[in-house]
Amino acid sequence: GAVVSQHPSWVICKSGTSVKIECRSLDFQATTMFWYRQFPKQSLMLMATSNEGSKATYEQGVEKDKFLINHASLTLSTLTVTSAHPEDSSFYICSASKGRSNQPQHFGDGTRLSIL
Amino acid sequence: AQSVTQPDIHITVSEGASLELRCNYSYGATPYLFWYVQSPGQGLQLLLKYFSGDTLVQGIKGFEAEFKRSQSSFNLRKPSVHWSDAAEYFCAVGPYNTDKLIFGTGTRLQVFP
Repeated sequence: GAVVSQHPSWVICKSGTSVKIECRSLDFQATTMFWYRQFPKQSLMLMATSNEGSKATYEQGVEKDKFLINHASLTLSTLTVTSAHPEDSSFYICSASKGRSNQPQHFGDGTRLSIL
Repeated sequence: AQSVTQPDIHITVSEGASLELRCNYSYGATPYLFWYVQSPGQGLQLLLKYFSGDTLVQGIKGFEAEFKRSQSSFNLRKPSVHWSDAAEYFCAVGPYNTDKLIFGTGTRLQVFP
């Protein structure tokens, strides 16, 4: 149980395009979803927390207009990287939880984003 | 401020040897504690978690971890490592009043045959 699917797993696109990444909880309702960014050989950096039906809460230093997050249902959250540039290239990982502090986060397999 | 420290960036062990990965946390109360494993190019898989009760917790893949309040530690152990255990291991702290996680910097485990 507690499976999180993230799609696509890998995307390459030209600079200036927008890229949407989906995160789905397949067998549970995810009240809260998290989006992380991970640089090579580094830890996860939390970008934002999204709760179903409300605006995402962004961490300090993360551009809201650059990284658009939507959490329209209890099983789906999307991250859109708008007008992507090479410096946005990274590994993006989502996770989902049932929204209570004693519930572990369950992670997707990540999306490797490469901007040319 | 809350923080997690994994002192060992990189550990190399021989297959069949025992393993201990260190994790220390800084938090005012007893936090929720987690160990995750990440294989290259993939997301994180939960190995085990500690919320309360028995301080020795068992996880998947033969891993266990012990919570020691006096040392603010939550070290991960495995008695006999397999080559497939080679991966990045992250310790994480979940403060009581939030479902966010604070991750350590990770420990990369290499296993030699």
